[in-house]
Amino acid sequence: DQQVKQNSPSLSVQEGRISILNCDYTNSMFDYFLWYKKYPAEGPTFLISISSIKDKNEDGRFTVFLNKSAKHLSLHIVPSQPGDSAVYFCLNAGGTSYGKLTFGQGTILTVHP
Amino acid sequence: NAGVTQTPKFQVLKTGQSMTLQCAQDMNHEYMSWYRQDPGMGLRLIHYSVGAGITDQGEVPNGYNVSRSTTEDFPLRLLSAAPSQTSVYFCASSPNVQAWYGYTFGSGTRLTVV
Repeated sequence: DQQVKQNSPSLSVQEGRISILNCDYTNSMFDYFLWYKKYPAEGPTFLISISSIKDKNEDGRFTVFLNKSAKHLSLHIVPSQPGDSAVYFCLNAGGTSYGKLTFGQGTILTVHP
Repeated sequence: NAGVTQTPKFQVLKTGQSMTLQCAQDMNHEYMSWYRQDPGMGLRLIHYSVGAGITDQGEVPNGYNVSRSTTEDFPLRLLSAAPSQTSVYFCASSPNVQAWYGYTFGSGTRLTVV
């Protein structure tokens, strides 16, 4: 059974600094790791993904790193902005996940002006 | 372009009452699903549908029924509401079941069962 866990329930960062959100997994059953972002009173929105055959993917201020030997995934936000304050979810998906996209508890990021 | 529309936005029910949470999408998406969000539990999948006439259970299906008679609509029914069903409910759709990057969520229904 694959498990993806975000062990830090919250993270507080100053505006302009780097935010690093972490995620550990036990078994990578599926082909992609994803990050979704959720603002209060809204549904989650897709942020960025990385294929399990890559170790880095970058999209503007957001970069996701995958360390397969450590079974660890991280999302870097540089520079952090107050509008980045949200809940971030790390997920594993693709192939036979077939409609069962699973969101864990997430990490609450707060970026202070 | 409305996207995914959920109604109502807020609802208070008494224990034992029934109700239907509505979800409609106008993007011709094949895949639709329902999640509930509870403090400390993230979002948990209740039921999902890969197309009209096809539904399946997710992680926490007990106490909920669904049907998918059209591509556009995916209502969630609570037959006999319980306080444990107090939660925020989100409906999502995507072009197909494999388009995990393309989930569009509604803005949620906040349900309180007293």
